[in-house]
Amino acid sequence: QAVVTQEPSLTVSPGGTVTLTCGSSSGAVTSGHYPYWFQQKPGQAPRNLIYEISNKYSWTPTRFSGSLLGGKAALTLSGAQPDDEADYYCLLVYGGVGEVFGGGTKLTVL
Amino acid sequence: EVQLVESGGGLVQPGGSLRLSCAASGFTFSNYWMTWVRQAPGKGLEWVANINLDGSETYYVDSVKGRFTISRDNAKNSLYVQMNSLRAEDTAVYYCANKDRGDWGQGTLVTVSS
Repeated sequence: QAVVTQEPSLTVSPGGTVTLTCGSSSGAVTSGHYPYWFQQKPGQAPRNLIYEISNKYSWTPTRFSGSLLGGKAALTLSGAQPDDEADYYCLLVYGGVGEVFGGGTKLTVL
Repeated sequence: EVQLVESGGGLVQPGGSLRLSCAASGFTFSNYWMTWVRQAPGKGLEWVANINLDGSETYYVDSVKGRFTISRDNAKNSLYVQMNSLRAEDTAVYYCANKDRGDWGQGTLVTVSS
């Protein structure tokens, strides 16, 4: 099964902008991978943020957005808040095979 | 209110078996693919298995193929995973999820140890 790569850690200043990326060992990430993004805080279950590249759930803060960027899926946080400090995971779907999570990005707001 | 409630976790010896259950409520269970995801202590999320609407299609991560079996009972609004030949590396919190709706259970801990 493919390996999905994310930045292990990133730091953003309060009010700042940061982009997290999600790559695939099998090549460029495309719409056919239906990229998902999840947020997880310590001791909590994951929470969905983005589905199918850029679609938001009703609870997704407007400061989060998803896209495809340079062959990768990307999650951009604009106007970071202290409450956004968490682990972020992407998930890619490999049709007919299964799904793979990235290793996660630990985001620090400092 | 949507709820996914996992049960069946616990301590099991290497080579043993365990069956996890997930009781769903608050949505039309039979209309959605369902997923098991696990998280080893201090580690990231790992997709384990998916099942389609009527249970006729299932997919597994390579590390559990031949050992785990995902299933569902739409009449009981329940998702299951039968875990056999358990190994220490299967130790994790197991989450039941409706990935498309964004619903997650609280997780159940499986510990494989002698």
